[in-house]
Amino acid sequence: QSALTQPPSASGSPGQSVTISCTGTSSDVGSYNLVSWYQQHPGKAPKLMIYEVTKRPSGVPDRFSGSKSGNTASLTVSGLQAEDEADYYCNSYVGGNNWVFGGGTKLTVL
Amino acid sequence: QLQLQESGPGLVKPSETLSLTCSVSGASISSSNDYWVWIRQSPGKGLEWIGSIYSRGSTYYSPSFQSRVTVSLDTSKNQFSLKLSSVTAADTAVYYCVRQVPPGWYDPWGQGTLVTVSS
Repeated sequence: QSALTQPPSASGSPGQSVTISCTGTSSDVGSYNLVSWYQQHPGKAPKLMIYEVTKRPSGVPDRFSGSKSGNTASLTVSGLQAEDEADYYCNSYVGGNNWVFGGGTKLTVL
Repeated sequence: QLQLQESGPGLVKPSETLSLTCSVSGASISSSNDYWVWIRQSPGKGLEWIGSIYSRGSTYYSPSFQSRVTVSLDTSKNQFSLKLSSVTAADTAVYYCVRQVPPGWYDPWGQGTLVTVSS
């Protein structure tokens, strides 16, 4: 299966909102509400930020939110802060007990 | 608190088999309803799902690795393992072991271990 499509980069100023897209197909993102998002700072392991499209684990700021429309899932970061600068990856179920990640988006806080 | 820790050789020769172990603490891998997963990240690249094993022993592999990967459980040691055969330089990556919570998200992650394939 092919990787999900994410923009290589995104940016915003402190306090602004930024949305990162994750585009799949009707066989993966479009078929299942099993999209999750991960934040990765340099040299660190990824951290779960959103699961099942819209749910936020305890401890994750409510500035982070997820949504989905058709074959595209999105992660929105509101009220950008310096510590939000990181790489973000989406993940989706593709059927047959297989999963695929997006290529990742580097978020820069200007 | 559930914690995962990868271990294994940091250097593997081309054509040989890469072997990694993930030690799990804070939960029993055999009694949970979770999946235990291997994910890798090549230098400067994105995340790649390799395969998983259910706590009851069923395995699932990415088509990209199907022909040369084995994931197994060692319940006596509360560990699970990855074997990747016939490695090449393209298999150089940081390998993460992760718990997958049904129906499907990854948390927590091990710290990752760098494996370099080189003669």
